[in-house]
Amino acid sequence: GAGVSQSPSNKVTEKGKDVELRCDPISGHTALYWYRQRLGQGLEFLIYFQGNSAPDKSGLPSDRFSAERTGESVSTLTIQRTQQEDSAVYLCASSLVGRPSQETQYFGPGTRLLVL
Amino acid sequence: RKEVEQDPGPFNVPEGATVAFNCTYSNSASQSFFWYRQDCRKEPKLLMSVYSSGNEDGRFTAQLNRASQYISLLIRDSKLSDSATYLCVGGATNKLIFGTGTLLAVQP
Repeated sequence: GAGVSQSPSNKVTEKGKDVELRCDPISGHTALYWYRQRLGQGLEFLIYFQGNSAPDKSGLPSDRFSAERTGESVSTLTIQRTQQEDSAVYLCASSLVGRPSQETQYFGPGTRLLVL
Repeated sequence: RKEVEQDPGPFNVPEGATVAFNCTYSNSASQSFFWYRQDCRKEPKLLMSVYSSGNEDGRFTAQLNRASQYISLLIRDSKLSDSATYLCVGGATNKLIFGTGTLLAVQP
């Protein structure tokens, strides 16, 4: 079956512009996660959705970052007024039920964002 | 202090060598642990879970020491295809905490 897909694969934008990143999880997966990975760094947790609700937004780095999920499916991560430090790979993952400590998360290929 | 800490490497080893990676975690509330593998410019993929009693999957052995808050991964008979970054991961109720990864380069 299809895995997690993300679009766009690559995005180059100018400082100050807004960007939207999209994630399509595996069909039937209840939980969806967004992570950020800067060059040479580990994965940084951003936000977690259980269904369409986000019980944990603790990782969002600033109020310029927001995310939503609709239909217990597609999720969009929006970064407003992008800054150069936002340049990173943004990874989306999904899991069946939403128990991170107990189940595998399946990752998408990521969106590589470059802010000039 | 980072919640999950790893030696970033790189570990350069010849084919056939045995290599061990170590990881420490600071959050005693972490309930479970995993090793993920990430190839260059690719997404992470689960390699194996880590159980308290230790577990083995082919050439890979994972160990957990809760008292010392220490996790390890042993790779025997290294293959060229094992070259990747290995991410130590701790799991709490609602999230996974990833280490920065250890880079392994297996040389012919």
